[in-house]
Amino acid sequence: EVQLVDSGGSVVRPGGSLRLSCAASGFTFDDYAMSWVRQVPGKGLEWVSTINWNGGYTGYTDSVKGRFTISRDNAKNSLYLQMNSLRAEDTALYHCARIVGAPYGGACDIWGQGTMVTVSS
Amino acid sequence: QSALTQPRSVSGSPGQSVTIPCTGTSSDVGGYSHVSWYQQHQGKAPKLIIYDVIKRPSGVPDRFSGSKSGNTASLTISGLQAEDDSDYYCCSYAGSYTVIFGGGTKLTVL
Repeated sequence: EVQLVDSGGSVVRPGGSLRLSCAASGFTFDDYAMSWVRQVPGKGLEWVSTINWNGGYTGYTDSVKGRFTISRDNAKNSLYLQMNSLRAEDTALYHCARIVGAPYGGACDIWGQGTMVTVSS
Repeated sequence: QSALTQPRSVSGSPGQSVTIPCTGTSSDVGGYSHVSWYQQHQGKAPKLIIYDVIKRPSGVPDRFSGSKSGNTASLTISGLQAEDDSDYYCCSYAGSYTVIFGGGTKLTVL
């Protein structure tokens, strides 16, 4: 079964750090670009970051540039999001997602269940 | 990076067709052929229903179709069914390895 399992979410204080992980199974992980997408409960989807198959290309939404770093370990079939200098507005459910089609195109066909990040003092 | 513009809500009766527009700029929707659409039911992960403007992933009914004209992409759902009652989001490549979503549209099947 093709599956993505997100983990690592927690409650963290403003200014703190967190590392999210996404474990992939059921497909050839290094054949695909991957993304992180977040959603505040009850609100819309927001793209966070994308990484191509080998980590050679990455992209970030403006609000997280310089604070978040996306990475992947193809040997471990895993995707990561290192989140530093966290702010209250980063509070959201974070999903990892597999990209289909163009690696930068944003079309995500497989989604993790999400992991909740709450930034609060 | 402003969100793509979608109507907050649309509605239609079973069997009818509805179209959800998604308006961007020449730097995103109008500039690339990488527009996708997602359906999200309450409490569930989003489901990809259209990508690259007009392509349907395997298993998505052909009642769902996509198009684009200039800076506006559209999702059309024909033969509305009760299970189409959901939130819909558009998404576009915006250059420099960035992506932008629309604000979402709530479709109500009357």
